[in-house]
Amino acid sequence: DIVMTQSPDSLAVSLGERATINCMSSQSLLYNSNNKNNLAWYQQKPGQPPKLLIYWASTRDSGVPDRFSGSGSGTDFTLTISTLQAEDVAVYYCQQYYSTPYTFGQGTKLEIK
Amino acid sequence: QITLKESGRTLVKPTQTLTLTCTFSGFSLTTSGVGVAWIRQPPGKALEWLALIFWDGDKRYSSSLESRLTITEDTSKNQVFLTMTNMDPVDTGTYYCAHHTVYPLANGFDIWGQGTTVIVSS
Repeated sequence: DIVMTQSPDSLAVSLGERATINCMSSQSLLYNSNNKNNLAWYQQKPGQPPKLLIYWASTRDSGVPDRFSGSGSGTDFTLTISTLQAEDVAVYYCQQYYSTPYTFGQGTKLEIK
Repeated sequence: QITLKESGRTLVKPTQTLTLTCTFSGFSLTTSGVGVAWIRQPPGKALEWLALIFWDGDKRYSSSLESRLTITEDTSKNQVFLTMTNMDPVDTGTYYCAHHTVYPLANGFDIWGQGTTVIVSS
């Protein structure tokens, strides 16, 4: 199984500042055939299902604010929130869908400092 | 508009078998590239992928739970089922189903149900 490891486990950032969450996979998620990384980022607020933010490591899903961005390739990926808003308080998960069994990271809890 | 909704028993006893239903609309599981997945989340813990069924009938399972899981479909009713045998209190949590595509756009799980809570207790 591909192991997904996120860092940090929790993060406190001031409103308006940048938040950065990292995700590392135990093997490459890059498909050479289309040069895409099968890596997704989700946001989960309390009492709600996860919401897809980013897929293919860097493509924002429809309606996701452009302050959310994804980067990275191969085994190292980053989710960046450029200017933190109060509504961004949540737990963030990365997930690989390169091969089954699909696997999630352990989650990063983002709070306001 | 794609929607999914989970249903099933809320309380099960240890050793019993759990069957959950995912009823969906807005897409067909006969369309090439489409899949429906099950994911669970114990209280206060991380997401765990359980199983996936594809448009062509291909089924995939979590390595650690494969012996206990069965995913099936009824395309005529737009439903996907998950059966989990030998339930244990550690299986307590919220169970989600989600829409997935592998082509033309491989985008993870783009639409999720609201989840159904399962409690395993004697």
